Amino acid sequence: SQTIHQWPATLVQPVGSPLSLECTVEGTSNPNLYWYRQAAGRGLQLLFYSVGIGQISSEVPQNLSASRPQDRQFILSSKKLLLSDSGFYLCAWTRQGYGYTFGSGTRLTVV
Amino acid sequence: AQSVTQPDIHITVSEGASLELRCNYSYGATPYLFWYVQSPGQGLQLLLKYFSGDTLVQGIKGFEAEFKRSQSSFNLRKPSVHWSDAAEYFCAVGLIQGAQKLVFGQGTRLTINP
Repeated sequence: SQTIHQWPATLVQPVGSPLSLECTVEGTSNPNLYWYRQAAGRGLQLLFYSVGIGQISSEVPQNLSASRPQDRQFILSSKKLLLSDSGFYLCAWTRQGYGYTFGSGTRLTVV
Repeated sequence: AQSVTQPDIHITVSEGASLELRCNYSYGATPYLFWYVQSPGQGLQLLLKYFSGDTLVQGIKGFEAEFKRSQSSFNLRKPSVHWSDAAEYFCAVGLIQGAQKLVFGQGTRLTINP
């Protein structure tokens, strides 16, 4: 069966520090991968998606970047965090006909 | 552009009462449709999905949803809610073409009165 792992679960980082959130998928190959962010009390905003290794598309201009170094690995990064980067970050994957599966999320607080 | 509207930000119902959460979408073709539930501090759990076929879809935890093409709606229903159903509910449209992105509504927060 397919599983998705996301870590860390919780992160408190100072303003200006770097960020690296990792997401891996098991039990499938060539998935589409997504990073979403959920600000407090709001819906989910798509940040990045990837349809293959090294292929990254950004939905909104921001302080974050994403990379896909391996088929089933998706990384969200920042060189210098801002207060506005705080939120709940969710990774997800899909393949045609499978629907979408989400990770358990990372709660990021920038202080 | 594709969009999803959940008109009700917050709904309160009594335990044992029936529930209907509304969802309307805007999309140029028949989309994939989803309902997810999120408990506080948790990820999203899929309740049900519609790809094609029977427009009444059964999901987990006793939920169902009906796709109405003429109304561009995909409302979620449950005949009798339980206290454990208190959570945030998200309707989403999956775009069939390209990268198959998922577009979410703003969510409806469900509170259950004992």
